[in-house]
Amino acid sequence: KAGVTQTPRYLIKTRGQQVTLSCSPISGHRSVSWYQQTPGQGLQFLFEYFSETQRNKGNFPGRFSGRQFSNSRSEMNVSTLELGDSALYLCASGRTGMNTEAFFGQGTRLTVV
Amino acid sequence: AQSVTQLDSHVSVSEGTPVLLRCNYSSSYSPSLFWYVQHPNKGLQLLLKYTSAATLVKGINGFEAEFKKSETSFHLTKPSAHMSDAAEYFCVVSDLGGFKTIFGAGTRLFVKA
Repeated sequence: KAGVTQTPRYLIKTRGQQVTLSCSPISGHRSVSWYQQTPGQGLQFLFEYFSETQRNKGNFPGRFSGRQFSNSRSEMNVSTLELGDSALYLCASGRTGMNTEAFFGQGTRLTVV
Repeated sequence: AQSVTQLDSHVSVSEGTPVLLRCNYSSSYSPSLFWYVQHPNKGLQLLLKYTSAATLVKGINGFEAEFKKSETSFHLTKPSAHMSDAAEYFCVVSDLGGFKTIFGAGTRLFVKA
């Protein structure tokens, strides 16, 4: 069965622009979580969606937002990009939540210049 | 409140020797605990998970971990390291509902020939 698909894999944006990242979970998975990974801060939790509702949110500014569609696909948006937003953004899907096994996509590498 | 501490940021072993990656956790609830592995430029892959069943958990690729409640530890071990084990390893704690998930800072494992 197909794994978690994140698109695009690589992205270069300019400061001040906005970006939308997409995550297609494994079929049947209703939970989608997003993480930001940087060398300095490690893996940081952004938010988690379950059945189109945001269940949990990490400590990120309001420029970071997300949504989940009825087919469980999720998008993450970052507005007014800053250089510090350069990171690997990982998406994980699971049946019910992160207490069960989570399957990660390969990530989207965002570079802000 | 939950927290997870990976006691070593880097571990270096020789091929064929045992691996020990240390993780201590703190949780107000009976937690679920996981170990994930991340190879360069890849997403995370689940190695093993503990969800209040057997305290000794066996995972993929010969890894195992033991849940020790009295020591609040969940150390990852492997009897004999292989070159392909070189990667970054993350210890993760999650509450039973899966609403709150915290990743450790990661331990980078180096394997010398």
